[in-house]
Amino acid sequence: DTAVSQTPKYLVTQMGNDKSIKCEQNLGHDTMYWYKQDSKKFLKIMFSYNNKELIINETVPNRFSPKSPDKAHLNLHINSLELGDSAVYFCASSQVSRGYTFGSGTRLTVV
Amino acid sequence: EDQVTQSPEALRLQEGESSSLNCSYTVSGLRGLFWYRQDPGKGPEFLFTLYSAGEEKEKERLKATLTKKESFLHITAPKPEDSATYLCAVQPPKFSGGSNYKLTFGKGTLLTVNP
Repeated sequence: DTAVSQTPKYLVTQMGNDKSIKCEQNLGHDTMYWYKQDSKKFLKIMFSYNNKELIINETVPNRFSPKSPDKAHLNLHINSLELGDSAVYFCASSQVSRGYTFGSGTRLTVV
Repeated sequence: EDQVTQSPEALRLQEGESSSLNCSYTVSGLRGLFWYRQDPGKGPEFLFTLYSAGEEKEKERLKATLTKKESFLHITAPKPEDSATYLCAVQPPKFSGGSNYKLTFGKGTLLTVNP
C-alpha cells in the first residue's frame, strides 16, 4: 500500500497550458504539503494544508492554486505554465515529530 | 532567514570507508532537525529527528548527532546500497507544534559508495 501517492509521475506540456497534479495519502495524517525540487535538488515548500485549511502559502505565483477536498487529498493546479515551472513537485503529509512522508514526485517538463 | 548548508556537495567512498556528512544551520530557535535519504527518482525518506544539542540517534550504519550550530550524519562501514542523496532540514519555531510545520531543506550531499 502506497502511503502518499501522486499522479501523474511524469508530465510534459507546452507553455501556456493548464495542468493538475493529484495527491492522496492513506496514513490518516491531518497535514499535507506541496514542495518543489529544482534542478539543483533544492526542496522548497510551496503550500501546506491542515484539515482542508490553508496554513502555509509561501511566495508562489498566483498561477499555482492548491485545493484540498478532504484531509486525505491535496491537489495542485497550475495555470499558464512557464518554462521556469519545470521541476519535480513532491506531495507530503506529516504527523507530530515523525517528519514528513513524501510521495514519489511528479516530474513536470514545460516545453 | 533560516539557512541550511550541507557539505560536502558530493562524497565518494569505498565500501567500508567510514565518513561524516555535515549540516550547519542558522535558525531563530530550532524546533527540530531532520535527516532524510533520497534515492534517484523517489521522494525523500525520513531517517531521524533531533531536538536538542547532544542528542544522538542511530539506525543501522547511520548515526546522527546534533550541536547548537550543526548536525553530523556519521556513516560507519558503508555499503553500496547506502549510495543516495542525504538531505538535512530544520524546523523553525513558526508553525511549530502540532502536526503542521514547515521544513527548510539544505541542498543535500550526494553519497556514492563504490564496491
